[in-house]
Amino acid sequence: DGGITQSPKYLFRKEGQNVTLSCEQNLNHDAMYWYRQDPGQGLRLIYYSQIVNDFQKGDIAEGYSVSREKKESFPLTVTSAQKNPTAFYLCASRDSSHYGYTFGSGTRLTVV
Amino acid sequence: QQPVQSPQAVILREGEDAVINCSSSKALYSVHWYRQKHGEAPVFLMILLKGGEQKGHEKISASFNEKKQQSSLYLTASQLSYSGTYFCGTEIYPGNTPLVFGKGTRLSVIA
Repeated sequence: DGGITQSPKYLFRKEGQNVTLSCEQNLNHDAMYWYRQDPGQGLRLIYYSQIVNDFQKGDIAEGYSVSREKKESFPLTVTSAQKNPTAFYLCASRDSSHYGYTFGSGTRLTVV
Repeated sequence: QQPVQSPQAVILREGEDAVINCSSSKALYSVHWYRQKHGEAPVFLMILLKGGEQKGHEKISASFNEKKQQSSLYLTASQLSYSGTYFCGTEIYPGNTPLVFGKGTRLSVIA
């Protein structure tokens, strides 16, 4: 079955450490997105990519980086510059504007 | 730019109806509705496109008022499984541009 796989499900980061969240899809979707979810805040856009080798910053891109070298993959790196990274991270993809998002199951990141 | 959802939270007994609203200050191309269970990813419910018809199934449906830039989600004869947080996501123009989500409406259905 097609879908989006996010890993790991839980991630613990030490102060000053960079960590990378994986997002892989086999839906053949062109567009992929990263959102951050904090309690009571809804979903806020970090980065998005509409085609391979191209991506755009979202509203809260500071302290994050991404790459899109393959259509299937859109990893997110949380750098040490992100001062408050504890949150639930969601990756999504979609085929076109006439369809909704398919979300991955999310990664819960905690700073220890 | 973030759409405004109302109410923020609602508690229903099984069998009761509810309406959740989503309003935008900008002209919209589409409105999406998602439901998220605690600790899980959001699940797509439906999309309403500018100029399109009201969508939905028998018990969950939605409308889009283009004049007011407002969408409403209707939950009829609610079931326990309807509990969760409902988000609307809005898009200003087509082209796989990212959705902007509201803060969500927490719906609790009790027996």
